[in-house]
Amino acid sequence: NAGVMQNPRHLVRRRGQEARLRCSPMKGHSHVYWYRQLPEEGLKFMVYLQKENIIDESGMPKERFSAEFPKEGPSILRIQQVVRGDSAAYFCASSPDMNTEAFFGQGTRLTVV
Amino acid sequence: KQEVTQIPAALSVPEGENLVLNCSFTDSAIYNLQWFRQDPGKGLTSLLLIQSSQREQTSGRLNASLDKSSGRSTLYIAASQPGDSATYLCAAQETSGSRLTFGEGTQLTVNP
Repeated sequence: NAGVMQNPRHLVRRRGQEARLRCSPMKGHSHVYWYRQLPEEGLKFMVYLQKENIIDESGMPKERFSAEFPKEGPSILRIQQVVRGDSAAYFCASSPDMNTEAFFGQGTRLTVV
Repeated sequence: KQEVTQIPAALSVPEGENLVLNCSFTDSAIYNLQWFRQDPGKGLTSLLLIQSSQREQTSGRLNASLDKSSGRSTLYIAASQPGDSATYLCAAQETSGSRLTFGEGTQLTVNP
């Protein structure tokens, strides 16, 4: 049973480009969480999704950021028109239900140049 | 709004020493408290999870305690080893299925 898989592990984008970060949850997990870790800071919650539904997006920046978790396929965190301040490590976690602890992926390290 | 603080921010100890990492949270109405380890450039590894009804959890040389009334948790590491060098994060979960609120971590270095 593979763990939470995130790809790519490292992503470099120029300012103004779009970044797409993918998260494949563990088998049987239908709950996905995204967190961001800015340099020298702690992890901050961004969004909580279940299959095809956004449950809590209170941590998402209002503009340029969006997330989805379709019925089939991985969860996608999309950042449009990236800026240097978006450079961070983005972590995904998944759980099978609300009452079970979530397991984290290895993260995607986004660098905006 | 839940806030989680970890003290100290960094700690350097000689190998073999017992040590305590501290975590405090502002809202005592938590569902659980979790300790993670993060190695440089890597993801998070869950170490211990304490449910709100529990007082402590143990795994090998690690022991985590939880005092909800005072808003504190400690992670005790016995007989530290160089391989324990990492950043240790604590995180509070307010309700089942909700977000984790993380502290900024304690960066531990165990010197051989």
